[in-house]
Amino acid sequence: NAGVTQTPKFQVLKTGQSMTLQCAQDMNHEYMSWYRQDPGMGLRLIHYSVGAGITDQGEVPNGYNVSRSTTEDFPLRLLSAAPSQTSVYFCASSPRRATEAFFGQGTRLTVV
Amino acid sequence: AQSVTQPDIHITVSEGASLELRCNYSYGATPYLFWYVQSPGQGLQLLLKYFSGDTLVQGIKGFEAEFKRSQSSFNLRKPSVHWSDAAEYFCAVGAGGSYIPTFGRGTSLIVHP
Repeated sequence: NAGVTQTPKFQVLKTGQSMTLQCAQDMNHEYMSWYRQDPGMGLRLIHYSVGAGITDQGEVPNGYNVSRSTTEDFPLRLLSAAPSQTSVYFCASSPRRATEAFFGQGTRLTVV
Repeated sequence: AQSVTQPDIHITVSEGASLELRCNYSYGATPYLFWYVQSPGQGLQLLLKYFSGDTLVQGIKGFEAEFKRSQSSFNLRKPSVHWSDAAEYFCAVGAGGSYIPTFGRGTSLIVHP
């Protein structure tokens, strides 16, 4: 009964470092998405995927890459971390188009 | 494209008082509508959803929401708030033209004892 699993839960990076935030779901959902949450800004969509091999940009995609090689996994890559990417990142999956999203517990990222 | 507005950034209520959190959406047809709750340090949990049919929707934790097409609203209500309801609440809208729901900026609920 895992649902959406994100790793790591906490991460500190130095400016310029790269890293990958992992997201896996075991519900066989076609739709997956990444959000960042910042105070006063709500949830902003970074990238999303509508199935294996298909990804698209959301509202704030700059500085992030994604790929979807399997239905289960949707990793988010930070290419060269910047302090502006300090945020809480959430991964979500949905069973159908535009329907309810199931969220992971989040990754709190600090870039120093 | 659809959009959703939560006009209240913060709401403060006393424990035991009733609660209404506002949500307005913009979309030409009937959208899918959702309310989520986020407790501190946690992910988002779905409280309730509206797809079609009865415009009064019951959710978990004693919450309900009413879809009003004429007002483009989907307000969340609870008759008696408990201290454990203190959290961030997000309204979201999904529409046929989009793949992923759009979220509002959230309303922070503060509960006074």
